[in-house]
Amino acid sequence: GDSVTQMEGPVTLSEEAFLTINCTYTATGYPSLFWYVQYPGEGLQLLLKATKADDKGSNKGFEATYRKETTSFHLEKGSVQVSDSAVYFCALSDTNAGKSTFGDGTTLTVKP
Amino acid sequence: GAVVSQHPSRVICKSGTSVKIECRSLDFQATTMFWYRQFPKQSLMLMATSNEGSKATYEQGVEKDKFLINHASLTLSTLTVTSAHPEDSSFYICSARDQGRGRPGQYFGPGTRLTVT
Repeated sequence: GDSVTQMEGPVTLSEEAFLTINCTYTATGYPSLFWYVQYPGEGLQLLLKATKADDKGSNKGFEATYRKETTSFHLEKGSVQVSDSAVYFCALSDTNAGKSTFGDGTTLTVKP
Repeated sequence: GAVVSQHPSRVICKSGTSVKIECRSLDFQATTMFWYRQFPKQSLMLMATSNEGSKATYEQGVEKDKFLINHASLTLSTLTVTSAHPEDSSFYICSARDQGRGRPGQYFGPGTRLTVT
């Protein structure tokens, strides 16, 4: 079945550091790929998405590129802020059934 | 647009009682909604797919008689945890597909924190 593997956390960075959170997937067909962010005590918010190979999703300075050849969708941000501290989930969606499969989440802490 | 709400946001109940959680799509119609469960510091686990006007499809290992799902309208799905026990304490999150816009993926509700004492 489908699966998503995320870089293990927790990740601790200083403000303005460069962020990479790795995500790879296995899936049949051509899934859509997502990054979600979850702040403490809250639900999930869609951060960005990509629906086909070579698409780049971007939002709030974060970006990720759908790489079919390496089955990856790594999340990057050039300069993190304290407010970026949260748990980040990589996910894929079966476009037929609509079900999403999530990675285990990566906790990011950004220190001033 | 594409807002999903959940009610209540937090609920505390006694062991043996039942609790109903509502999931609503506020500005779109959702023939399909999903219910997830999230344990502390863990990822989301899909419990079931809720289909408007028909029975829910449960994932393997999820007790359908314990977690009752009703998707009575295009904007409302409910999850009832019956005869709740402390091990049912968790964060329950619903999501909905906005099929009208033809966009992939789901929109998530803010979650419901259930504590069973």
